[in-house]
Amino acid sequence: ETGVTQSPTHLIKTRGQQVTLRCSSQSGHNTVSWYQQALGQGPQFIFQYYREEENGRGNFPPRFSGLQFPNYSSELNVNALELDDSALYLCASSQTGTSGRGNEQFFGPGTRLTVL
Amino acid sequence: AQSVTQPDIHITVSEGASLELRCNYSYGATPYLFWYVQSPGQGLQLLLKYFSGDTLVQGIKGFEAEFKRSQSSFNLRKPSVHWSDAAEYFCAVRTNFGNEKLTFGTGTRLTIIP
Repeated sequence: ETGVTQSPTHLIKTRGQQVTLRCSSQSGHNTVSWYQQALGQGPQFIFQYYREEENGRGNFPPRFSGLQFPNYSSELNVNALELDDSALYLCASSQTGTSGRGNEQFFGPGTRLTVL
Repeated sequence: AQSVTQPDIHITVSEGASLELRCNYSYGATPYLFWYVQSPGQGLQLLLKYFSGDTLVQGIKGFEAEFKRSQSSFNLRKPSVHWSDAAEYFCAVRTNFGNEKLTFGTGTRLTIIP
């Protein structure tokens, strides 16, 4: 069983640029959630994707967007990068049943984004 | 909206000593509760979870947690810590309906001294 993987591991960008982060969900999982973890803080929910549609969003501006693909992998896109976007971005996958109620989330190792 | 408070930012314990990390949540009903551990530069690993039933739950690595509804708490315990337990610990809450958004506390950093 393959766990959650994320790429790249580290990334350095400058203000105003755009970035795409990628996540492959654990085998058998159909739901992907993205979190932002600033230094010294707990992870903050960005959004979740289920069946290729956004299924809940946290308090993040529209320049944070995402996609989920038919194989349940996902992308997080951030436009017009700001210095405060520097953080560890975590992806988590889970299996949501037909009732819509899910189960525990399994996290990937994260992508460390630095914005200069 | 739900929230989680971890009152202790940093805790230092001696190897072999017992450990208790505090977690309080705010939510109108009984939520799903989780404890995760994060080693430096790593993702989050689930230690244990509470959905319903027995209020004392056992997890991996010898950890346990007790759900106390009257105190809105879900404290994490370990009877004897090992040097390898040094890490950041996060308590999280999830509602029992809708999407699976996890709301995390700010974490407690655990340092182990010989």
